[in-house]
Amino acid sequence: AQSVSQHNHHVILSEAASLELGCNYSYGGTVNLFWYVQYPGQHLQLLLKYFSGDPLVKGIKGFEAEFIKSKFSFNLRKPSVQWSDTAEYFCAVRLFSGGYNKLIFGAGTRLAVHP
Amino acid sequence: SQTIHQWPATLVQPVGSPLSLECTVEGTSNPNLYWYRQAAGRGLQLLFYSVGIGQISSEVPQNLSASRPQDRQFILSSKKLLLSDSGFYLCACTPHSVSTDTQYFGPGTRLTVL
Repeated sequence: AQSVSQHNHHVILSEAASLELGCNYSYGGTVNLFWYVQYPGQHLQLLLKYFSGDPLVKGIKGFEAEFIKSKFSFNLRKPSVQWSDTAEYFCAVRLFSGGYNKLIFGAGTRLAVHP
Repeated sequence: SQTIHQWPATLVQPVGSPLSLECTVEGTSNPNLYWYRQAAGRGLQLLFYSVGIGQISSEVPQNLSASRPQDRQFILSSKKLLLSDSGFYLCACTPHSVSTDTQYFGPGTRLTVL
């Protein structure tokens, strides 16, 4: 069955530290890839997405992610985190099935950034 | 742009009671609609999706059901709640029936079954 794995459930960093959150998926077909973020008390919202083209995608707030097809990975990175990046981050994979937009989510990673 | 409304925001219900959670969408027509349950440490689990009025597909067997009586209304129901139904329920939409667009999420409903 298709699945999405996020390697770290909890990450604690100090401000200005670099961030990398791992995401791997198991599906051999065509996929679209997403990172969603949920700030405390807010809606789940899109951070960035990859559909095709340049495998290095830029998102909002200085985040980027790299799609490595051979590794089935889509890791999220940010060179210098801020306290406001404290949130839960979800990796998701869209599978093409029956003409609808089905997303499979990872378990999420809680990031806490200390000042 | 689309806006998703969910109510109630929070709900506490006894075991065995019925449930009705409502989701409405503004700003788009003929969207695909989704119900997810978010559990701590387990991410989002897709429960139901709908590509049109009266068209419901279930992803996992469970104690819940869904209905879509109108184009932009999606309802999650149960006849008798179980303790295991507790969780955070999210409604989501994509603006078109067949699309590469992003899914947009509502604010969610926190359900506690006692």
